Amino acid sequence: EIVLTQSPGTLSLSPGERATLSCRASQSVSTTYLAWYQQKPGQAPRLLISGTSSRATGIPDRFSGSGSGTDFTLTISRVEPEDFAVYCCQLFGTSTRWTFGQGTKVEIK
Amino acid sequence: QVHLVQSGSEVKKPGASVKVSCKASGYTFTNYGVNWVRQAPGQGPEWMGWISPFNGNTDYAQKFQGRVTLTTETSTSTAYMELRSLRSDDTALYFCARERAYSLDHWGQGSLVAVSS
Repeated sequence: EIVLTQSPGTLSLSPGERATLSCRASQSVSTTYLAWYQQKPGQAPRLLISGTSSRATGIPDRFSGSGSGTDFTLTISRVEPEDFAVYCCQLFGTSTRWTFGQGTKVEIK
Repeated sequence: QVHLVQSGSEVKKPGASVKVSCKASGYTFTNYGVNWVRQAPGQGPEWMGWISPFNGNTDYAQKFQGRVTLTTETSTSTAYMELRSLRSDDTALYFCARERAYSLDHWGQGSLVAVSS
């Protein structure tokens, strides 16, 4: 079973700063199967990025995804006040259909 | 537009069962799989299972095998998740989500299930 490890656990930033979030898979995975979600307290996750780098409908272009193999990154070019939330990576797999990372919290510094 | 509307909060005693519904609208229900994901307080999301409304095929997470049943009712575009033998650690927010192109692109609002004696 593939494990997704996200780092850092918490990222403290000021509005306008750049956020770089990491998601590492325990073995190499296809870029097609890696997605990122944003989640705010008490709400459902919101799809941001699918296929490693494709923004979902309505997602601002300050959000971008990249990576390959075992290392994937979500970047927020300039953090806006509404971006403070938890971000999770997710993998579509074979032995387990969906696996989630434990999340990175982006908080106001 | 696509909407997934779930049933309301439930409080159950240990050992009981719960059945959560998820009514879809805004798309052809049988064209997309439905997943169920839960999130315990302070924890990350946890995948429970998937069902194809087209043919009823299912795929369950090993952890929930034998304790969860996913079904659909195509006449009403509704998916159901039944979890049996509830324990206190089943207390969580339960979500349904539509699967599309290797992602979960639309989610229900969540249904809180609390298990307490």
